Amino acid sequence: NAGVTQTPKFQVLKTGQSMTLQCAQDMNHEYMSWYRQDPGMGLRLIHYSVGAGITDQGEVPNGYNVSRSTTEDFPLRLLSAAPSQTSVYFCASSYSIGNYGYTFGSGTRLTVV
Amino acid sequence: SQQGEEDPQALSIQEGENATMNCSYKTSINNLQWYRQNSGRGLVHLILIRSNEREKHSGRLRVTLDTSKKSSSLLITASRAADTASYFCATVFSGTYKYIFGTGTRLKVLA
Repeated sequence: NAGVTQTPKFQVLKTGQSMTLQCAQDMNHEYMSWYRQDPGMGLRLIHYSVGAGITDQGEVPNGYNVSRSTTEDFPLRLLSAAPSQTSVYFCASSYSIGNYGYTFGSGTRLTVV
Repeated sequence: SQQGEEDPQALSIQEGENATMNCSYKTSINNLQWYRQNSGRGLVHLILIRSNEREKHSGRLRVTLDTSKKSSSLLITASRAADTASYFCATVFSGTYKYIFGTGTRLKVLA
């Protein structure tokens, strides 16, 4: 039982490049989310999903796309990387948003130069 | 804008003392949760309190919720150096599935 697995752990991108941050969970959780964490800003919600085939925008969705074709996977795509997207990205999942807490991945540290 | 705001932003105490941190939020919630984050790591869920609950305990943790004041507090009793971390509250807006985190309280427990 691996929990929430994020890859890669570190990534450096050039401005304008695109990439996908991977997130997978093996706990059969329906609810999954992506957050970014910047110094002094706490965690900000980018996108979330309440189940396979269903996604919605969070607080800061611009510049990011998501899809949820399976219960297990919830990739985050950066369309055209910008220095403002330099951050630590966390994926999290939950069995039920009303009754259970999140399980977090260990994060992806992204630097855009 | 973020839903939850923690207070204080930073707190430094001696080992054995109690640590109290507060969270205020803006709109009606379904539940409120507290998380801990050790430096450079992912967040770990500590405790969930529902909107119809007023107090909850888990080991050395005590959480209170006052929906009339839109606030919650986390009390860590008999703190240890290992409690040094950042603590975040998170809330779900009523009628949504958006889980919004506050800005966190950085706790330092001195041995």
